[in-house]
Order: sequence, then C-alpha cells, then structure tokens
Amino acid sequence: LAKTTQPISMDSYEGQEVNITCSHNNIATNDYITWYQQFPSQGPRFIIQGYKTKVTNEVASLFIPADRKSSTLSLPRVSLSDTAVYYCLVLSGNTGKLIFGQGTTLQVKP
Amino acid sequence: ETGVTQTPRHLVMGMTNKKSLKCEQHLGHNAMYWYKQSAKKPLELMFVYSLEERVENNSVPSRFSPECPNSSHLFLHLHTLQPEDSALYLCASSQVVMVGGGDNSPLHFGNGTRLTVT
Repeated sequence: LAKTTQPISMDSYEGQEVNITCSHNNIATNDYITWYQQFPSQGPRFIIQGYKTKVTNEVASLFIPADRKSSTLSLPRVSLSDTAVYYCLVLSGNTGKLIFGQGTTLQVKP
Repeated sequence: ETGVTQTPRHLVMGMTNKKSLKCEQHLGHNAMYWYKQSAKKPLELMFVYSLEERVENNSVPSRFSPECPNSSHLFLHLHTLQPEDSALYLCASSQVVMVGGGDNSPLHFGNGTRLTVT
C-alpha cells in the first residue's frame, strides 16, 4: 500500500491561499490521490480527487506533478471555518483500500 | 446531512455490557465500512462490506462483531470491551469497493458514535 507523508500542522490567516503538500513516493499506476477534511467530532468529508496534472472544484485545487510522487492541495482564500484536519490518501486501485495517515491540522487565524 | 446516519451519537458502556452501533446510508451505495478513530491516531479501517458480504476484516478483535443485513444498514455489535476501545467509531459508504483500477468511489462518512468504555 502506498504510504503518504504530510506536515503535522500548518498555520494560516484568513484570506490567504493555503497549500498542503503530500508525498507518496511508492504510488502505484492504478492509485488515485484523494483528500478529505475533518472537523472535530465529525466524520471526514471528501474534498477532491485526482490522478494526474490538475483538478479543480468549487472547494479546492489539486496539483499532481508528472511523476505523481507528491500532490498539493490548494485552498484559495481560507476562512476561519476552514480550520480542520486535512488527510491525503492514496486509493489503491488494486485493493480498493483507503488508508488514512495522521493528516495535517490547519489552523486559520483571524 | 451527510447521507450516512449513525446512532447513537454518544455511548457509555461498562466492560461487561453488550451494545450495538447502527449505521444507515441513504445514498444507494453498495459498500459500507467501519472505521475506528482513537485520540491522536489515524483512522483505522476495521471492516468492509460489499453487497452485504464482508470483504475485509482488518485483524479486529472478536469483541467487535459486524453485521450487514442489507446494503443500507450496518451494525457493529460490541461485547466485553476494554477501556482502550474508547474511540470515535465512524461508518462510511461508497458506491462500490474498487478493485482492479478505474475511477474512484469516494467515501461518505457519518458523524460517528463517540464510545466510552468504563
């Protein structure tokens, strides 16, 4: 299973763009990169998923370089309500397993 | 409203009690999951069901017993738990359990049951 590594925590201020980078050096050909957001006492919520290059939705953008060994979640103009834990996961296309790591705790300050 | 409903939201039980956690999904999904989230630890995958058949049992102790009577309902039966089993238990569902590549099937989580074993 591909293991992911991301920073334990990050601080930001309201209105800034936040980029959280995740490394997944042994990602396999069939694997997808998926990001989830979790608020305290709630279940994780799907944010975005990609396979290569760039994916954008109404919430975030996901940048994946050609070698796919890392990915960057970009949150534009964060607000206080974006304070949460962000998980980078690799969905194994061979086993269907989704394994969570420690996640990145993002603290947005006023 | 996440489409996945878990009850109860909070549960306190003694080590000799028997209780059950319930999960219901209203999304028409075919796969359901139990995850355990302990304080300051990553989510741990416990069980996976696909079309009511258990396809994954991640070395979970037998004091946790899952049941999936249909594709919309999932239970976790608990008996003779230990204090270290106190955690947030999360249920999730997805369209399918992806095997063999292809497009993804994001997980939709409920808000969990906060379990305290005394």
